[in-house]
Amino acid sequence: DARVTQTPRHKVTEMGQEVTMRCQPILGHNTVFWYRQTMMQGLELLAYFRNRAPLDDSGMPKDRFSAEMPDATLATLKIQPSEPRDSAVYFCASGLVWLAGDNEQFFGPGTRLTVL
Amino acid sequence: GNSVTQMEGPVTLSEEAFLTINCTYTATGYPSLFWYVQYPGEGLQLLLKATKADDKGSNKGFEATYRKETTSFHLEKGSVQVSDSAVYFCALSAPGSGNTGKLIFGQGTTLQVKP
Repeated sequence: DARVTQTPRHKVTEMGQEVTMRCQPILGHNTVFWYRQTMMQGLELLAYFRNRAPLDDSGMPKDRFSAEMPDATLATLKIQPSEPRDSAVYFCASGLVWLAGDNEQFFGPGTRLTVL
Repeated sequence: GNSVTQMEGPVTLSEEAFLTINCTYTATGYPSLFWYVQYPGEGLQLLLKATKADDKGSNKGFEATYRKETTSFHLEKGSVQVSDSAVYFCALSAPGSGNTGKLIFGQGTTLQVKP
């Protein structure tokens, strides 16, 4: 049963520290999405990749967030330096996107980040 | 632009009650429509989908029909259980030329089912 995996599941850190979150998309999927979920803002799309190339990162604060896909099995989201307002649950999702497809996305379990 | 509007929650029901969560959308072309469910502490998971007008998606006793004339995709279940307590998200995508693969989500509706 193919699943999206994310590590770590929980992270507590202090303000100013670097945080790296990792995601392994489902093998064969060509698109990877990063979302952030908070009570106040709901679900927000931060960035996404197609065939490992960044397509859109306009949802990300550029000064402190960065997203990469070093290879087809790994996507990373990094925050440096972290701030308390970054506390949220971060989800990775993957999908197989093609011209006439329905664009179903498969979500990972999320990383719950707390910045003190 | 494309958008999704869901009824605000929380929705509180007693076990075995009938559930409706309203969802309407605005989109160009012929979108695909989805309902995702998020159980406490978990990620979103697909509940059901419909890819063309008049299609009915169904899963786990939940149903939704793609109504192009009313631009709606309301979620229904005849008899809810406590285990259905979760947040439900309506979403759309617009495949075809220029397909980004993105989903446009509604704000989510929290369902609480009491024994």
